[in-house]
Amino acid sequence: GDSVTQMEGPVTLSEEAFLTINCTYTATGYPSLFWYVQYPGEGLQLLLKATKADDKGSNKGFEATYRKETTSFHLEKGSVQVSDSAVYFCALNVKTSGSRLTFGEGTQLTVNP
Amino acid sequence: DTAVSQTPKYLVTQMGNDKSIKCEQNLGHDTMYWYKQDSKKFLKIMFSYNNKELIINETVPNRFSPKSPDKAHLNLHINSLELGDSAVYFCASSQVENEQFFGPGTRLTVL
Repeated sequence: GDSVTQMEGPVTLSEEAFLTINCTYTATGYPSLFWYVQYPGEGLQLLLKATKADDKGSNKGFEATYRKETTSFHLEKGSVQVSDSAVYFCALNVKTSGSRLTFGEGTQLTVNP
Repeated sequence: DTAVSQTPKYLVTQMGNDKSIKCEQNLGHDTMYWYKQDSKKFLKIMFSYNNKELIINETVPNRFSPKSPDKAHLNLHINSLELGDSAVYFCASSQVENEQFFGPGTRLTVL
């Protein structure tokens, strides 16, 4: 079946540090890939997405590139802020699976001033 | 505001009770979903409806019954609540195969 594996958290960084959160996937079809963010006490918000190989999704300084050869979609940001503290979820969606999102375990990010 | 809304935001109840969570979206989407987030933040799909038709029904106890009166609403009814049902339940909607928009969640606590 489909699955998503994220790097284990929690991750703690200082402000302006470089962020990488690793995400790899297995899928029976050709998935679309997503990063969602959950701020404390809130629902999930789409951060960025990519729908085909070599696509780069970007938003709010975050980037992730769809790498089919390594089945990866790592999230990066060059300089994190305290306001980026949240839980980040990598997810995939395969057309043949009825559009369900399959999520990774989530990575808690804390950014200290 | 265009969004996915859920009520209630918090729900505290005793074991054995029956409760419902309501979800509405005004985004004009065809597909709605229920996800469960456990205490470790893991998210798993429970149900999905497309134009009021059930299309995904994961291995969820039959005490959970979704109901979609129209394509803008997807309610979740839970019978005979158990301690293990305590979680945050998220509703979401999408146009089929596109990104999903999530509601704010309902935190259910079963005592």
